[in-house]
Amino acid sequence: KQEVTQIPAALSVPEGENLVLNCSFTDSAIYNLQWFRQDPGKGLTSLLLIQSSQREQTSGRLNASLDKSSGRSTLYIAASQPGDSATYLCAVTSGNKLTFGGGTRVLVKP
Amino acid sequence: NAGVTQTPKFRILKIGQSMTLQCTQDMNHNYMYWYRQDPGMGLKLIYYSVGAGITDKGEVPNGYNVSRSTTEDFPLRLELAAPSQTSVYFCASRGTGGPGNTIYFGEGSWLTVV
Repeated sequence: KQEVTQIPAALSVPEGENLVLNCSFTDSAIYNLQWFRQDPGKGLTSLLLIQSSQREQTSGRLNASLDKSSGRSTLYIAASQPGDSATYLCAVTSGNKLTFGGGTRVLVKP
Repeated sequence: NAGVTQTPKFRILKIGQSMTLQCTQDMNHNYMYWYRQDPGMGLKLIYYSVGAGITDKGEVPNGYNVSRSTTEDFPLRLELAAPSQTSVYFCASRGTGGPGNTIYFGEGSWLTVV
């Protein structure tokens, strides 16, 4: 059974600092890994999708890496802004299922 | 292109009532999923479908039923609602192959059982 863990559960940083969010999974036989953002009381917005054959994906200030052998992915957000405050979730596709981590709640202080 | 559409957005049910949450996608995706998210928690898989006529249980299927008669629609039925089913429900879909694996979510359905 695939299990996905995100540590820490919450993170607070001053504006301008780089954010590093972690995602680990137990079964390395994955098709892809996706990072999402969720604002309070809202749905999920896709940020980045990394295929199992890729090592990283970049979009603007966001960069996500994937290391299947160690079962880890890291989401980097450069030069954080207060608008980056949200919960970030990772999800792993393996077999027919999507398994989510519990999320990391991020607060960027002005 | 509407993506994934869920209705209703908000609903209050009395204990023992039943209802159906509707989910429709217009991207011709084979895979569709129903998740629930309790306050401050991650998403738990209720049911999923890999194509029309095929459904399977996820982690927390008890108290729910689904059907998939068409590619577009994947309704979630709550029978005999209980307070433990108070949650936010999300429907999601994805295609197959490369970028087609991107997961798309509906905006959620907030359900309160009183």
